Amino acid sequence: QKEVEQNSGPLSVPEGAIASLNCTYSDRVSQSFFWYRQYSGKSPELIMSIYSNGDKEDGRFTAQLNKASQYVSLLIRDSQPSDSATYLCAVTHTGNQFYFGTGTSLTVIP
Amino acid sequence: GAVVSQHPSWVICKSGTSVKIECRSLDFQATTMFWYRQFPKQSLMLMATSNEGSKATYEQGVEKDKFLINHASLTLSTLTVTSAHPEDSSFYICSAPTRQGDSPLHFGNGTRLTVT
Repeated sequence: QKEVEQNSGPLSVPEGAIASLNCTYSDRVSQSFFWYRQYSGKSPELIMSIYSNGDKEDGRFTAQLNKASQYVSLLIRDSQPSDSATYLCAVTHTGNQFYFGTGTSLTVIP
Repeated sequence: GAVVSQHPSWVICKSGTSVKIECRSLDFQATTMFWYRQFPKQSLMLMATSNEGSKATYEQGVEKDKFLINHASLTLSTLTVTSAHPEDSSFYICSAPTRQGDSPLHFGNGTRLTVT
């Protein structure tokens, strides 16, 4: 079983809609959770960090964490074509090892 | 925010030559740096973890004699691809957490290596 699993997609949503990206992880002791956005040909860019159960909002982005279910998600409200990218979920326990999912490809259709 | 500077951003070299990629943490000290490789349309693959002042830890299947990593200071790690071959052509990315524990990884802009 992979440490971090994501649906590879592709996920397509119309402009203005909510995009929902999901991630599950296997290590119950994971403490820190991150979402990265990666445009084609570019390196990953951090967009959200979450450490406690519940929701964390930053602009159009909301990260949701449920440690009991070992599940972390990212919601993108009012999706824009510029949000089209691959979204990577990452988890760590100690900060010495980071586990990345394979990424979900999102396309926002104008 | 934390900045990781990586260069060159792209390099083309001939088969058999060596290429050095530098990764610097500009506004924090990086005890640990991670080196990744990414082939087109594939996911990030961790190559090695470099620790300042000690030997790097390589992932299974990554040749340590081919991919030389040096982390001589708290702000600089280098990856040297020795005797490069066309199959080494890839996107190489370094990253570092700003501190141990709960800090996220901050990535350099990556180096596109093409071996002809």
